[in-house]
Amino acid sequence: AQSVTQLDSQVPVFEEAPVELRCNYSSSVSVYLFWYVQYPNQGLQLLLKYLSGSTLVKGINGFEAEFNKSQTSFHLRKPSVHISDTAEYFCAVSDRWAGGGADGLTFGKGTHLIIQP
Amino acid sequence: DTGVSQNPRHKITKRGQNVTFRCDPISEHNRLYWYRQTLGQGPEFLTYFQNEAQLEKSRLLSDRFSAERPKGSFSTLEIQRTEQGDSAMYLCAYRRGAATNEKLFFGSGTQLSVL
Repeated sequence: AQSVTQLDSQVPVFEEAPVELRCNYSSSVSVYLFWYVQYPNQGLQLLLKYLSGSTLVKGINGFEAEFNKSQTSFHLRKPSVHISDTAEYFCAVSDRWAGGGADGLTFGKGTHLIIQP
Repeated sequence: DTGVSQNPRHKITKRGQNVTFRCDPISEHNRLYWYRQTLGQGPEFLTYFQNEAQLEKSRLLSDRFSAERPKGSFSTLEIQRTEQGDSAMYLCAYRRGAATNEKLFFGSGTQLSVL
């Protein structure tokens, strides 16, 4: 069975400061990893994903994440945040590939990123 | 715009009543998913369709829940005899693309409040 742990429920950061949102997963097989963002009153949007290959993946809005198999982590980072980055961020894991894509996503509880001016 | 519309946006109902939600992807996609999200939690998988066929159901989906996807286009999720524990955001998502280009597109959800 797969699971995702997002240790921080809330992360306050000053504008233009760097941020790291932590994600650890457990899975007995190969995994596919995702970060989704949910802005207020909007649906979840894919930020980035790791399927295979380079362990450093770049996503939209200047975010990037690094897959670390030995530490079973997939932390999300941004070198300089903006007020508009205020949102809920969800890490997700899948251990199944079906129908042309990763399937059966398990989501973490989310981390609320709060940007302070 | 993620290309998936969910109606209604909000639904308030009394315990014991039946409710139905609808999900309309902008165009037909072979895989459509339903998730449930409660306060302070991430989305939890409920069920998914491959075209018209419902291929998988989570153990979260009790016998009071039923989902359909007639003709492989829009989908409905019905909850019978609602309970307070059913209060949550119900999310619909569809998959577009394949392999490295595939991604899930989520609707804004239907917020259910059971009084």
